[in-house]
Amino acid sequence: EAGVAQSPRYKIIEKRQSVAFWCNPISGHATLYWYQQILGQGPKLLIQFQNNGVVDDSQLPKDRFSAERLKGVDSTLKIQPAKLEDSAVYLCASNWAGAADTQYFGPGTRLTVL
Amino acid sequence: QKEVEQNSGPLSVPEGAIASLNCTYSDRVSQSFFWYRQYSGKSPELIMSIYSNGDKEDGRFTAQLNKASQYVSLLIRDSQPSDSATYLCAVNADNDMRFGAGTRLTVKP
Repeated sequence: EAGVAQSPRYKIIEKRQSVAFWCNPISGHATLYWYQQILGQGPKLLIQFQNNGVVDDSQLPKDRFSAERLKGVDSTLKIQPAKLEDSAVYLCASNWAGAADTQYFGPGTRLTVL
Repeated sequence: QKEVEQNSGPLSVPEGAIASLNCTYSDRVSQSFFWYRQYSGKSPELIMSIYSNGDKEDGRFTAQLNKASQYVSLLIRDSQPSDSATYLCAVNADNDMRFGAGTRLTVKP
């Protein structure tokens, strides 16, 4: 069974630029999560999708971050414009049945904002 | 504010010893509890999940949950150098997953 795929693995941009990350969950997983992990901290949930609907985006900075999962499979997370404090690893995870279930994480995208 | 607290460490134990990792949480309606291991530069991977009070054992790992005290722990017996990693406690309440900052464990040969 293929795992959660993410791309790119690394991205370096300058502040005020835009960036997009892509995630393809494990086949059949209805729930998809985007997390932000700043160095030395635990993952912070940005947004949770159930199929193509948003379950929780309470911690997503909506003035600059957006995410979509149009067909209920893969997802993109966008930052526009980026700030220095957005430097982090962006993790995508998926599972069958919501937050009560084990989440399977992708390799992450390491973003550096200069 | 839902909080998950862990000692950041580092926790250092000799090879073969028992490592004890602790986590407290603030939300009394929390329903499911997870321990993830994260090697440096890698993504988290599940070690244990626990849903009811008491102990749950899986090989060298034992998770302990006490909902009255809002406390969950992970014991690693016969610690190996390969166990050196950051251990993340995660707590789910009403479909809202929160992670602690993690405890960094070092097992010295």
